[in-house]
Amino acid sequence: AQSVTQPDIHITVSEGASLELRCNYSYGATPYLFWYVQSPGQGLQLLLKYFSGDTLVQGIKGFEAEFKRSQSSFNLRKPSVHWSDAAEYFCAVGALDSSYKLIFGSGTRLLVRP
Amino acid sequence: NAGVTQTPKFQVLKTGQSMTLQCAQDMNHNSMYWYRQDPGMGLRLIYYSASEGTTDKGEVPNGYNVSRLNKREFSLRLESAAPSQTSVYFCASSGGGGREVHSDTQYFGPGTRLTVL
Repeated sequence: AQSVTQPDIHITVSEGASLELRCNYSYGATPYLFWYVQSPGQGLQLLLKYFSGDTLVQGIKGFEAEFKRSQSSFNLRKPSVHWSDAAEYFCAVGALDSSYKLIFGSGTRLLVRP
Repeated sequence: NAGVTQTPKFQVLKTGQSMTLQCAQDMNHNSMYWYRQDPGMGLRLIYYSASEGTTDKGEVPNGYNVSRLNKREFSLRLESAAPSQTSVYFCASSGGGGREVHSDTQYFGPGTRLTVL
């Protein structure tokens, strides 16, 4: 069965600094990979998704993610963080044999220092 | 365009009480979902509905029932609430039906924060 691991529970970065959030997945074939963001008190919003093709995926709000098959990773990056990026970020994997579900990681909470 | 709406936003129940969480979407989506979110555990799927009249169990269905009332509405019922059901509940929808869920973008409501005493 597929699984998703987000090893960092919290990350703190200074405003203007670069950001990388880690995501590792377990699945035998190429999965469908997603990053969602949850602002405080809000539901989740899709940032980007990867199905196939170019392994570097661009998303909304200046985020990008890179699929690395050899490392089973799909890390999220942003070159310069803004205070409004403070939120919780979830990586998710969907697969053809997942019986109608996405598997979400446990999330990484991003704090931004002024 | 409201997207996915959920009511209520907050609810406090006593053990053994029942309640229904309401969800509606105005995007003409086929699929709808109920998740619960607990600290450190991400989102876990409770129930899923591929289309009006169909429902399927997710990862954690025990203690819950659902009704897909029509294409727009998908409700979640707790028949006898337990403290273990204290959580934040999210409804979501996506355009595809059936097995497209693995590739579909899901759109989430703002959540219902439920406390069971």
